[in-house]
Amino acid sequence: SAVISQKPSRDICQRGTSLTIQCQVDSQVTMMFWYRQQPGQSLTLIATANQGSEATYESGFVIDKFPISRPNLTFSTLTVSNMSPEDSSIYLCSVGYDRGPGTDTQYFGPGTRLTVL
Amino acid sequence: TQLLEQSPQFLSIQEGENLTVYCNSSSVFSSLQWYRQEPGEGPVLLVTVVTGGEVKKLKRLTFQFGDARKDSSLHITAAQPGDTGLYLCAGAITYNTDKLIFGTGTRLQVFP
Repeated sequence: SAVISQKPSRDICQRGTSLTIQCQVDSQVTMMFWYRQQPGQSLTLIATANQGSEATYESGFVIDKFPISRPNLTFSTLTVSNMSPEDSSIYLCSVGYDRGPGTDTQYFGPGTRLTVL
Repeated sequence: TQLLEQSPQFLSIQEGENLTVYCNSSSVFSSLQWYRQEPGEGPVLLVTVVTGGEVKKLKRLTFQFGDARKDSSLHITAAQPGDTGLYLCAGAITYNTDKLIFGTGTRLQVFP
């Protein structure tokens, strides 16, 4: 497993501003992912953060709204841009190890709780 | 669109009772994970099942992967207040090892 930290743990932001969330892992990992979890709901994958190339976004999520960086194998950032109250959610990063079929386990950070006023 | 439906959505029980949570899909998964999430924290992995029909036990928790690898169940024996949390199943898409589809979630409350 991996030890994953996220910063900030929570924030309250004004409409129209942007927030960058950091995810740091204590070891090199193959895959990093960003999820959104709206209050009381399950997880929705935003994108896969690819090291050295552009992130791969899921349907309904775009780079202009959620730019992602992954400069190395232990760090990634997610920016929530031009925020609105609908962006209020918990944002989670996770990491995975590509060791072949059946080893798709992911490990999660503690999450960033974002409230947009 | 792959979808993992969990049932029940909510469950409130007394300490000592048994319960089963179901995770169903029309899609085949190469593996399936169960996670538990407590308030203010990220999901924590409980188990990964890989083989159709596989049964894994983790103390009072029993996990089963369906023969066709489309469904799974989690059975808790003699539930305790510490079992309270959001239970999530997540399936790995066959032949694509880098993405998980998360279930709709089951929120369990165990009262002392």
